[in-house]
Amino acid sequence: QLVLTQSPSASASLGASVKLTCTLSSGHSSYAIAWHQQQPEKGPRYLMKLNSDGSHSKGDGIPDRFSGSSSGAERYLTISSLQSDDEAEYYCQTWGAGFHVVFGGGTKLTVL
Amino acid sequence: QVQLVESGGGVVQPGGSLRLSCASSGFTFSNYGMHWVRQAPGKGLEWVAFIRYDGTNEYYVGSVKGRFTISRDNSKSTLYLQMKSLRPEDTAVYYCAKGSHGDYVDAFDVWGQGTMVTVSS
Repeated sequence: QLVLTQSPSASASLGASVKLTCTLSSGHSSYAIAWHQQQPEKGPRYLMKLNSDGSHSKGDGIPDRFSGSSSGAERYLTISSLQSDDEAEYYCQTWGAGFHVVFGGGTKLTVL
Repeated sequence: QVQLVESGGGVVQPGGSLRLSCASSGFTFSNYGMHWVRQAPGKGLEWVAFIRYDGTNEYYVGSVKGRFTISRDNSKSTLYLQMKSLRPEDTAVYYCAKGSHGDYVDAFDVWGQGTMVTVSS
């Protein structure tokens, strides 16, 4: 079964970097994912598509502070030079055979 | 500017119906598959339905099959979600999202701002 696992919360200081993790279920380590940001009381915003080899393509206007990387079944989102408006929920998304779409449970990022 | 704007949400009694719309602009709507995604209060995102670029095929999450119908009017660049036999557990913000391809699922690369649906007596 295709499942994405995210830690419920993360925190980092203003100006620092943080690395969020999304883990694909067993047998699905070759899958690409997408990262989305949802600021409080707003709709989600597409950040990037991240492939299993670590290559990624970002959405329009996404700053260079956001980057992605991969290792095995893990997909990472790194945010550098943290700003206050980076405080948000971050969701990973993937897709499988039969037009099946899955979201991770989300990670709430707190900027200290 | 690429934009999706949902409308049609509101309060409805259990067993009732509601039709959501999603107006698009800034891209060639007829080239892309489209999705509906929902988010119950305080919860995460749940994919609801997908329709191919030409409207020939639709796919649904199990909990809404037979009750919800996704459709599109490419001449109006608009996506719809007809919801029937609504249940309290359908209460959520409903988002439309643009797929990055026409006929298969990939990353969602544009989202709307959402419309709230409340099912309550």
